[in-house]
Formats: sequence, structure tokens, C-alpha cells
Amino acid sequence: EAQVTQNPRYLITVTGKKLTVTCSQNMNHEYMSWYRQDPGLGLRQIYYSMNVEVTDKGDVPEGYKVSRKEKRNFPLILESPSPNQTSLYFCASSQGVDQPQHFGDGTRLSIL
Amino acid sequence: QKEVEQNSGPLSVPEGAIASLNCTYSDRGSQSFFWYRQYSGKSPELIMFIYSNGDKEDGRFTAQLNKASQYVSLLIRDSQPSDSATYLCAVRFPYNTDKLIFGTGTRLQVFP
Repeated sequence: EAQVTQNPRYLITVTGKKLTVTCSQNMNHEYMSWYRQDPGLGLRQIYYSMNVEVTDKGDVPEGYKVSRKEKRNFPLILESPSPNQTSLYFCASSQGVDQPQHFGDGTRLSIL
Repeated sequence: QKEVEQNSGPLSVPEGAIASLNCTYSDRGSQSFFWYRQYSGKSPELIMFIYSNGDKEDGRFTAQLNKASQYVSLLIRDSQPSDSATYLCAVRFPYNTDKLIFGTGTRLQVFP
């Protein structure tokens, strides 16, 4: 089954404790992206990647890191999480930026 | 001006009616346009995508694109209570980036 898998689905943690949200897709997609979704602000792109070893900033990259060492994986790293990063996060993938995106089920992060 | 604007709603329509959802965007050079549906607490799922001026139909859904006026709309015919969700418009902005910008979404309520 074609899918984008994110882990964990839920996480409550404390300020400053490094965390990683994993994202994996099994569709051999070139383009992968991370979004955060906040009430009233919609989906905002954090980082995206056009291919292996190619990443670029979206609209809200501050406080986040990503890497794309393999085509299928695109982890999101919060080196020193802060409460303003409490949000619902989605990973997505597609054949290209002009193609429809497939979304993972989301990760709800709470930073205390 | 927001890059992609949608009326937040809610848009309330009776079962069986046509629901009309609108989206305007700021960059005249935008090329790719997407409509996603998102149920509360779930991930966005693709409804339609459109690249060329005019109408594109898929079942009960019709996407309409007018690049001169910089708007894209989604019509839902024979609306059903199961169509009640938030509808997100997404636009690929071309200014030498590969970013995808989402509107904040329109909440649709279809009442029996």
C-alpha cells in the first residue's frame, strides 16, 4: 500500500530536549516536505526536499532541521524544542512539486 | 495581502445543494493549483488539481481556474453531509522556488 508513515503520532516532551520525527514514504517520490498546522494559520511549510541531499527552507524553518540521506526518509529534527513549536506536523511526498502530495497521518507535538 | 486567501467560513449548505468554495492567490505566475479536503483531526487528502484555465470535472467535483483574475474555485454538486470538512487550497508559487503555499481553509457544513 502506498503510504507516508510518520512516527511518533503523539509526543509530549519538555523544552530543550532534542527530538526527531521520522517520515518514510514507499512510493519512490522525489519531493518531500514538512508542514506544521496551527489554528487560524493553516498549513505552513517548514522544509522541503527535491531529492537526496537537496533540501531548502519553507516559510517557517526557524528552530528545525532536516536531512535527506535516502530517498525514502525525511526526518524532522528539533534540536532544542520550545513551547511555540507545539503543533500538528505533517510530512508529505509527491513525484514533484507540481504533483499532488500524499500526506502522512500527522504528529501531534506538545512542548512543555 | 496573503499569498493564498480563502474565506474561513463556515459555509453552510443543505444536502443536495451546490457548494462553492473560492480561493484567490497573489502571484500571477502561479502554475499549479490543488484542492485538499481535511476532516477534523485527520490529514489532508487530495480532491482535485488543475493546471490550465477553465474547468476540470471529476465526479461531483469541479475545479475552475481563472489565471487572469487569479482565483481558483471548487464546486461540489449534490452536497452530502459526509462532505462536511475543511477544504484547503494550495498554490505552487513559481518565483524560482519549489514551495507550495496553502490557504487557511474553508469549513464546509452540509446539513440534512
